[in-house]
This record gives sequence, C-alpha cells and structure tokens, in this order.
Amino acid sequence: EADIYQTPRYLVIGTGKKITLECSQTMGHDKMYWYQQDPGMELHLIHYSYGVNSTEKGDLSSESTVSRIRTEHFPLTLESARPSHTSQYLCASVRGRGSYNEQFFGPGTRLTVL
Amino acid sequence: GNSVTQMEGPVTLSEEAFLTINCTYTATGYPSLFWYVQYPGEGLQLLLKATKADDKGSNKGFEATYRKETTSFHLEKGSVQVSDSAVYFCALTSNTGNQFYFGTGTSLTVIP
Repeated sequence: EADIYQTPRYLVIGTGKKITLECSQTMGHDKMYWYQQDPGMELHLIHYSYGVNSTEKGDLSSESTVSRIRTEHFPLTLESARPSHTSQYLCASVRGRGSYNEQFFGPGTRLTVL
Repeated sequence: GNSVTQMEGPVTLSEEAFLTINCTYTATGYPSLFWYVQYPGEGLQLLLKATKADDKGSNKGFEATYRKETTSFHLEKGSVQVSDSAVYFCALTSNTGNQFYFGTGTSLTVIP
C-alpha cells in the first residue's frame, strides 16, 4: 500500500489568504507531482519535481509555488487565494527511473475559497 | 506529442453487465499504459498497467491489452458490480517516465 499523505483534507478559506498544502511520502520516491482536478474530473499538472532542489512548472503553475528541500516533502503554496482556486488538489509520487513505474496518489485536499 | 483520448461519460450500467471504456493514445517512442480508478472523495489508485505492446494488464476482473497497431488500451470487465462505480482514467508515460498524460476520465455508475 502506498504511503503518501496530504493535509489538510478539507480547507475553507477567504480570498487573499496565503495557504500551504502539505504532501509527504515515506517511500523514498524521487519524483513528485501536484495536480489540480476540476469538477469535470480532468487533471491539470501544476508543478513537479525530480528530486531534492528540483522543481518544474506545469500547465497551471503561475499562481502557486513549490519547494523540495527534503525527498519526502513537497508542499504547494498559494500566495493569495482566489475563488478560482476552489478545486481538488492531488499530490503524487513515482519510484525510480524508467517509463514503467506508476504514480502513487495521495487522498487529495479539497480547497474552497470564499 | 503525447496525448490520451478516452470515451466520454457518464456511463450507467446494470449490475452484471459488460463494460468497455475506450482509450486511444498518441505517443512518441514506447510508452507504458495505465488505468487508474478514483472512488468518491479519494485520490487515484492504479487499477492495471501494461509496459509493452501486446501485454495484457488485469486486476479485480478488469482487463486491458496494449495494442500498438491500433494505439489503444480499452478497459473491459465481464460483469460489473455496484462497487465498481467510480471514475476511470486512462494514462501513459513519456519515454523517460518523467511525465504522465491522463485522459479526461469516464464516470461509471452501476445500478442494482
């Protein structure tokens, strides 16, 4: 069973607040990813990392930042939350190299911005 | 480039009906192919995978075969149950395994 955790599971916050969504994995995976999942279920890549001190932007990255100081930890920060950020956020990780390894997903954080 | 196209939903079936969810892909090189399942309020879970042409992935009665000639990876199950109600995603990896490309998801509801 995959060990990847996200906190909080649910968050309701006002516009303009700064928030950090936490993601941790205990599997020692090098690669980690953040996705935004819209109500229509489609996944959009926000940020990803190939290892410590590596971060890359995805398709929807312009309003958020990430850091990767430790292998197991990959937090996502929204500097100023807006109602358009209301969504489900999923964190994922992948073991090792090669194209045959699957992603393991956390349970998600459901964010509501009022 | 890489992309995945899967059958749009929602799909509603009666219990014990046959299920097919179509998935086709475009890819450079030799990707691996995956089906993930998402139950309400949860993250995605791997359902099955295939890493090379003609491989068949299977799990929990679900099957999919990696067809390079038709660039397809259709998901099938012979007899669905109410507990199979979920959203199903087809996905592939890039050659390097660094990027994942997902279909838009197909919602399945199985009624008793």
